[in-house]
This record gives sequence, C-alpha cells and structure tokens, in this order.
Amino acid sequence: GQQLNQSPQSMFIQEGEDVSMNCTSSSIFNTWLWYKQDPGEGPVLLIALYKAGELTSNGRLTAQFGITRKDSFLNISASIPSDVGIYFCAGPMYSGGGADGLTFGKGTHLIIQP
Amino acid sequence: ETGVTQTPRHLVMGMTNKKSLKCEQHLGHNAMYWYKQSAKKPLELMFVYNFKEQTENNSVPSRFSPECPNSSHLFLHLHTLQPEDSALYLCASSQDRQGGGDFGPGTRLTVL
Repeated sequence: GQQLNQSPQSMFIQEGEDVSMNCTSSSIFNTWLWYKQDPGEGPVLLIALYKAGELTSNGRLTAQFGITRKDSFLNISASIPSDVGIYFCAGPMYSGGGADGLTFGKGTHLIIQP
Repeated sequence: ETGVTQTPRHLVMGMTNKKSLKCEQHLGHNAMYWYKQSAKKPLELMFVYNFKEQTENNSVPSRFSPECPNSSHLFLHLHTLQPEDSALYLCASSQDRQGGGDFGPGTRLTVL
C-alpha cells in the first residue's frame, strides 16, 4: 500500500529558529496535506497542496508539493512555543470512486527549548 | 456545536464489555471516517462511509463494528476487545474527495 516516510522523527530546537521537515513516498500523490496535532486533540489541517511544484504559505508556515509528486516539505519560520506538537504529512487513498480516507506519515515531534 | 465532536473523550473497558463511541459532524459533509492512532504508529484508516454507505473496511477485526445511521452521525461499536486495541480513536469527515478532512478530538480508549 501507499506509505509515507516522514523525517525527522523529532526535532529539538530553540525558540526563534526555523524548522524544516519532509515527507517522501514511493507512490505518486495528487494531493499533499500537512496536519498538526496537539496533545489530547485530533489533527488540524495546516496546509493543503493540490499541484506539483505548488508552494503555499499559511502565516509562518510554508509547504511545497514536490515536482515528482512523491515528496513534500513543510517549513516553519521563527518558531514560537505554541508550535510545539506533532506534525503529520498525509495524502488521499484513492481507489476509484468516492472518498477513501487518508494515509499518514509517522509524524515529526517538534520540541522547542526556551 | 461546531466541527466534529466525539464522545466519550475517555473510556476504560474490560475485555468482556460492550461499548460504543459516537461521532457527530456539523459541517454538512457527506463522508465520515474512523481512524486508530496507536503509540509510535501512523494513523491507521479503519472505516470509510460515503453517503451513509460503507466504502472501505481496512482489514479491521470484527470486534469493531461501525454504524452510520445518517451523514452526520457515526458510531463505532466495541465488543470483546483486546489490550492491544487501546489507542486514540479519531473520527473525521470530509466532502467527497476534498482531499482533507476535519478531525474530532478523539476518544482515548484503554482496554484492561
């Protein structure tokens, strides 16, 4: 099946630093999604990418849809304490007709040291 | 209420118990999903309902039984679970192949 390889698994950074994480797959995806999950909560969609090569920003977050359609990255600039959490990449599982859910990476755990 | 809500938020049950998880979405979406999130594993898709019809059962054991009475409500009936079924169970909804999904806060299930 479709698998997403997300790295790094965890990041320990200082407040104010920039963050970069990426996701790769052996399969082609037509959509890449980036979610953030806070403790005790469900994932929240941060950025959705729909076109190869697309670069999209949401405040301090920037994500790109790789030109090969097999990878994506997420950057966070000037990190702040509320950026702490687990970041997931995800892509739709299309098997023909209807909505088929998402496949997720294992997540990048972001820890910010004051 | 807005978005996707789930009840209960926490549940502890024995292996012989029968319980149900409830999900409700207030977004007018036509597809609903159950995911399982275990420690150190990616979120795993369990079931998909599109227009109240189950379109996907991702090889889930029969001790998990979903029910979707209408496009706004989704249940997960649990019986004779195993300790390894302890996890965070997340409900999500989306509009067709919107490509994303709105998630509920999850139910933290512990099976003793």
